[in-house]
Amino acid sequence: EDKVVQSPLSLVVHEGDTVTLNCSYEVTNFRSLLWYKQEKKAPTFLFMLTSSGIEKKSGRLSSILDKKELSSILNITATQTGDSAIYLCAVEARRMNRDDKIIFGKGTRLHILP
Amino acid sequence: DTAVSQTPKYLVTQMGNDKSIKCEQNLGHDTMYWYKQDSKKFLKIMFSYNNKELIINETVPNRFSPKSPDKAHLNLHINSLELGDSAVYFCASSPTGVYGYTFGSGTRLTVV
Repeated sequence: EDKVVQSPLSLVVHEGDTVTLNCSYEVTNFRSLLWYKQEKKAPTFLFMLTSSGIEKKSGRLSSILDKKELSSILNITATQTGDSAIYLCAVEARRMNRDDKIIFGKGTRLHILP
Repeated sequence: DTAVSQTPKYLVTQMGNDKSIKCEQNLGHDTMYWYKQDSKKFLKIMFSYNNKELIINETVPNRFSPKSPDKAHLNLHINSLELGDSAVYFCASSPTGVYGYTFGSGTRLTVV
């Protein structure tokens, strides 16, 4: 059965710290891995990763995919209180002769203390 | 024993039709959500229900109406479907006061 597992489920750090969020997956016919930031009202799309070993960056956030280890990490450096959110990982898998399916992890709740 | 199940998985329909997507969760969670994912992978929250009460209603057209007969079910009814409604719709649930979402497998809606 396809699954996506995120760890840790919850993380509390102080402002300025660096955090690493993990996402591992077991899917058939992997297509891409997606990261979202879920705040109170609306998820924000962060990254889509398809190639192993190529880091994607956006400001203090970066992410990389390891297809050999079937995992991805999301790094946030110099964290700020505004980074507090739930970070969702999702994996797209291609189904034979059909459209993609998407499997979500349960999310990591990140709380940044001032 | 699927935790969050959505039906149907695929829905192809003509413009102007009315359709419903059903969602059920057997996790005992208090909060359920509907999300819309567009072709660019952006995920937009549409509705959230906590114990059968609407707590978030984002700026979606009033052609979309959520219905929650009980806390284990959150259905999405769409009237007068338009081409722009084509997307993947995800249902999710979470327990109150505890973190962790459980998503359904999505319903791919195609309006032709």
